[in-house]
Amino acid sequence: EDKVVQSPLSLVVHEGDTVTLNCSYEVTNFRSLLWYKQEKKAPTFLFMLTSSGIEKKSGRLSSILDKKELFSILNITATQTGDSADYLCAVSSHRRGAQKLVFGQGTRLTINP
Amino acid sequence: DVKVTQSSRYLVKRTGEKVFLECVQDMDHENMFWYRQDPGLGLRLIYFSYDVKMKEKGDIPEGYSVSREKKERFSLILESASTNQTSMYLCASSLRGGLGQPQHFGDGTRLSIL
Repeated sequence: EDKVVQSPLSLVVHEGDTVTLNCSYEVTNFRSLLWYKQEKKAPTFLFMLTSSGIEKKSGRLSSILDKKELFSILNITATQTGDSADYLCAVSSHRRGAQKLVFGQGTRLTINP
Repeated sequence: DVKVTQSSRYLVKRTGEKVFLECVQDMDHENMFWYRQDPGLGLRLIYFSYDVKMKEKGDIPEGYSVSREKKERFSLILESASTNQTSMYLCASSLRGGLGQPQHFGDGTRLSIL
């Protein structure tokens, strides 16, 4: 059975801190790993990772994938209160004509001023 | 920008009713998906469709059915609503792609079954 596990489930830090969110997976027919940010509404896409060891970066957010050890991390530096959200990790596998995403439980990040 | 629109943000229905949730996307995406999101369980796939009139069961299809008569529209149907179907329902769409394509989500429908 495909499985994605995120840790920690929740995290509270002060503004300006750096945080690391973890995602490990066991998926057959792996295609890619994706990170999403969810505030009150729709999850919004952050990164898609397909190759090991290549860092993807967007502003203060960065992410890397290790396909040998089957995990990914999402780093946020110099955190701001606007980074408070649920961060979702999902792994894409090919199944019956479409790319299917399997999601982890999410990490709830709270940034205190 | 991709726009995925779900017909209702909040919906309250009674046990035993037939419930329709509608989703429309405007980017000509081949794939469409229905998820439910519950605290502590994350997003779980109910059904997906990779083409018009095609549908595949996801991980938790029991009690649900879907319809895709047009490429841009994907409907989720609760045949006889039950209280354990109270949840947040999210629709998503994506392009077809070899390494996987990001799915783009609607804002969700919070459904309460009384």
